Amino acid sequence: QLVLTQSPSASASLGASVKLTCTLSSGHSSYAIAWHQQQPEKGPRYLMKVNSDGSHSKGDGIPDRFSGSSSGTERYLTISSLQSEDEADYYCQTWGSGIYWVFGGGTKLTVL
Amino acid sequence: EVQLVESGGGLVQPGGSLRLSCAASGFTFSSYEMTWVRQAPGKGLEWVSYISNSGSTMYYADSVKGRITISRDNAKNSLYLQMNSLRAEDTAVYYCARKVGGYYGPFDYWGQGTLVTVSS
Repeated sequence: QLVLTQSPSASASLGASVKLTCTLSSGHSSYAIAWHQQQPEKGPRYLMKVNSDGSHSKGDGIPDRFSGSSSGTERYLTISSLQSEDEADYYCQTWGSGIYWVFGGGTKLTVL
Repeated sequence: EVQLVESGGGLVQPGGSLRLSCAASGFTFSSYEMTWVRQAPGKGLEWVSYISNSGSTMYYADSVKGRITISRDNAKNSLYLQMNSLRAEDTAVYYCARKVGGYYGPFDYWGQGTLVTVSS
């Protein structure tokens, strides 16, 4: 069974960088994932797809401050030059035959 | 500009029915596979259902199978979710989302959601 694990919370200072992690369950290191941002009281917003080789492709209008990377079963979202509007919940998502679509539990990012 | 606008949510009693709609604009609706995702109050995202661009293939999460039907009308650029035998645990904000990529793939645009509350 494929499970995505995310830390429930993270925090970083205004103007700093933060790296969020999404961990695929053992044996699923080849899976790509997507990152979505959900600001308070809003629908999710697609940020990017991150492949197992670390390459990533961003959604429309996503600033260069957002980037993705990968290592083994871990997929990362790095946000640099943090802004107040980056305070949000971040979800990772994966997909595949037999699992359909699966989301991680989400990470609540606080900008200090 | 891609837009997805959900409607049809509301308060319904346990065992009742509701039909959600999603109006799509800004892209060629008939070329895209579509999905529904829900989010219970204070909880994370849960995929609910998928429909192919032609409407010939549908998938459902085990939690809703047999109670929910997804459909689309490409002539009206609209996606639907018929929800029957509703339970308290179906209470959530329901989002429609566009799927991209080939075989399966991520959701690249989301609506703002519509709230369904199942309560007596």
